[in-house]
Amino acid sequence: GAGVSQSPSNKVTEKGKDVELRCDPISGHTALYWYRQSLGQGLEFLIYFQGNSAPDKSGLPSDRFSAERTGGSVSTLTIQRTQQEDSAVYLCASSFQGQGATPLHFGNGTRLTVT
Amino acid sequence: AQSVTQLGSHVSVSEGALVLLRCNYSSSVPPYLFWYVQYPNQGLQLLLKYTSAATLVKGINGFEAEFKKSETSFHLTKPSAHMSDAAEYFCAVSERSNTGKLIFGQGTTLQVKP
Repeated sequence: GAGVSQSPSNKVTEKGKDVELRCDPISGHTALYWYRQSLGQGLEFLIYFQGNSAPDKSGLPSDRFSAERTGGSVSTLTIQRTQQEDSAVYLCASSFQGQGATPLHFGNGTRLTVT
Repeated sequence: AQSVTQLGSHVSVSEGALVLLRCNYSSSVPPYLFWYVQYPNQGLQLLLKYTSAATLVKGINGFEAEFKKSETSFHLTKPSAHMSDAAEYFCAVSERSNTGKLIFGQGTTLQVKP
């Protein structure tokens, strides 16, 4: 596609349930990033993929959070046993090479609400 | 660790007035710097970036930013605000590394009054 695509755009789930968020990066982009945007916290880095490998997982807040990327393309962010503090907008971004000067291209995000 | 500080979480200007959004970074080595804009219910869109070629960087929609090493600043300006500029603006820094990971400031919401 022309841009980064994220699905679903909105997700409401009950506390304790697992959720999966999907990201389709721009074709040919080898680097993929997940960020979380919540009120009062700004944009927090979660994880970085280069190809299918995740050399930087330093932002994952707990072991309830995991992510994978397959075929060097689609990525899934999974949150297990969701908590109310997980409510946020989850943004995915991709870039051509994942180097410092290369800008990131962002999707429109998935708004997660945990009730 | 690198960090970014945006002074002022909310800035309000009148239509036609100068826009100035402040950003300071902390880094021992001049990093790569970016400004992104976010409209409601959308992702972030790149406005401009500094990668050490020129200290005054021009971006889209009439915005520009000047890198000042002595002040560790990268403030965003626009000579004349338009109603459509109302949005949230994020300054970000990237390490000179091979990951491209961005560290963002807290964001500044720009309000434009008619």
